[in-house]
Amino acid sequence: NAGVTQTPKFQVLKTGQSMTLQCAQDMNHEYMSWYRQDPGMGLRLIHYSVGAGITDQGEVPNGYNVSRSTTEDFPLRLLSAAPSQTSVYFCASSYPTSGRSISEQFFGPGTRLTVL
Amino acid sequence: GQSLEQPSEVTAVEGAIVQINCTYQTSGFNGLFWYQQHAGEAPTFLSYNVLDGLEEKGRFSSFLSRSKGYSYLLLKELQMKDSASYLCAVKGDYKLSFGAGTTVTVRA
Repeated sequence: NAGVTQTPKFQVLKTGQSMTLQCAQDMNHEYMSWYRQDPGMGLRLIHYSVGAGITDQGEVPNGYNVSRSTTEDFPLRLLSAAPSQTSVYFCASSYPTSGRSISEQFFGPGTRLTVL
Repeated sequence: GQSLEQPSEVTAVEGAIVQINCTYQTSGFNGLFWYQQHAGEAPTFLSYNVLDGLEEKGRFSSFLSRSKGYSYLLLKELQMKDSASYLCAVKGDYKLSFGAGTTVTVRA
């Protein structure tokens, strides 16, 4: 199993450009999520999905869109990049547990994004 | 909402014991995770507590007190490879809220 994969590993954008960060998992996990990590601020949840066709906002969703057409893939779209979106982005997946809970999350290797 | 507090840095010598505290305030609590993150890498799962008490896993132990909103991660017999950031995260409805992380530096 490849686990959680992310592409690209590094990306430099100019302000106003758009792009899609790719995330895929081969563990048949229903739950997938996107985080950004900034120095001194820990991981902050951007969007998450509890299954194909179902997405919801996290703590910092503005400027980002997601979709979940398959169980395996959960791309993150930056609509119009801004310097404030310079960060390290992590995708994660897990099995859901009973009720509205989630289990241990498996993280991808991250995408390091710089917006000039 | 959720808020979590951890010390920003801890330094210790090889072979020592280190305790990393995490205090939290939350509107809904479904459990607490600890993750390890080496510089430039992804977080990896260390432990999970949902009930009060101590969970032991080899050199790592994690403790939870729900009434006090408090957890700690205990690292025993420190090794150089334990130099990393340690993140606590509280589980709510379909969401994890992370602390800012504690950087542990192990000196020879």
